[in-house]
Amino acid sequence: KAGVTQTPRYLIKTRGQQVTLSCSPISGHRSVSWYQQTPGQGLQFLFEYFSETQRNKGNFPGRFSGRQFSNSRSEMNVSTLELGDSALYLCASSFRASSYNSPLHFGNGTRLTVT
Amino acid sequence: DQQVKQNSPSLSVQEGRISILNCDYTNSMFDYFLWYKKYPAEGPTFLISISSIKDKNEDGRFTVFLNKSAKHLSLHIVPSQPGDSAVYFCAASAQAAGNKLTFGGGTRVLVKP
Repeated sequence: KAGVTQTPRYLIKTRGQQVTLSCSPISGHRSVSWYQQTPGQGLQFLFEYFSETQRNKGNFPGRFSGRQFSNSRSEMNVSTLELGDSALYLCASSFRASSYNSPLHFGNGTRLTVT
Repeated sequence: DQQVKQNSPSLSVQEGRISILNCDYTNSMFDYFLWYKKYPAEGPTFLISISSIKDKNEDGRFTVFLNKSAKHLSLHIVPSQPGDSAVYFCAASAQAAGNKLTFGGGTRVLVKP
């Protein structure tokens, strides 16, 4: 069974631009979550989608948005990029609506660098 | 406000000995706890979990202990192997929060041969 696939692996953007990251969950998984990892803040929750509906949102500005398609694939978008948005963005999928007895499976991430 | 803390940023242990990683949390709503392991340039991989109704869970070389009154959990790895060298993250969730995980800052483990 293929794991969680994130594209692209690496991305370099300029301040003020926007970026779209893509995530394909494990087949059959309906929940997709996004996390940001930075050296200073660690792993922080961005948002979660389940069956195309956003269920949870972390404490990030409105420049960060996402969506989920009917095939469970998800995209996240960051508009008006800032230098501080440079991070590893991780996508995780799960079969169930709760992490209880159903741990998240993570992709290898997209490394975004903003210059 | 860090709700999940791993106070030891790094740990060095001899191959074959026990590695003990600690994690503290402050939110009483957390009722499920997980440990993830992360290698460079890869996503975190799930190791072991424990629900708040238990105080211990074992899986092979990995054992997680939960002390609810102290809001403390620990991960024991025995015996430690060189392939265990990685960053370990403690994570917590609340049933009402779906798949939202709150992570600690991580502990980098180095297992010396």
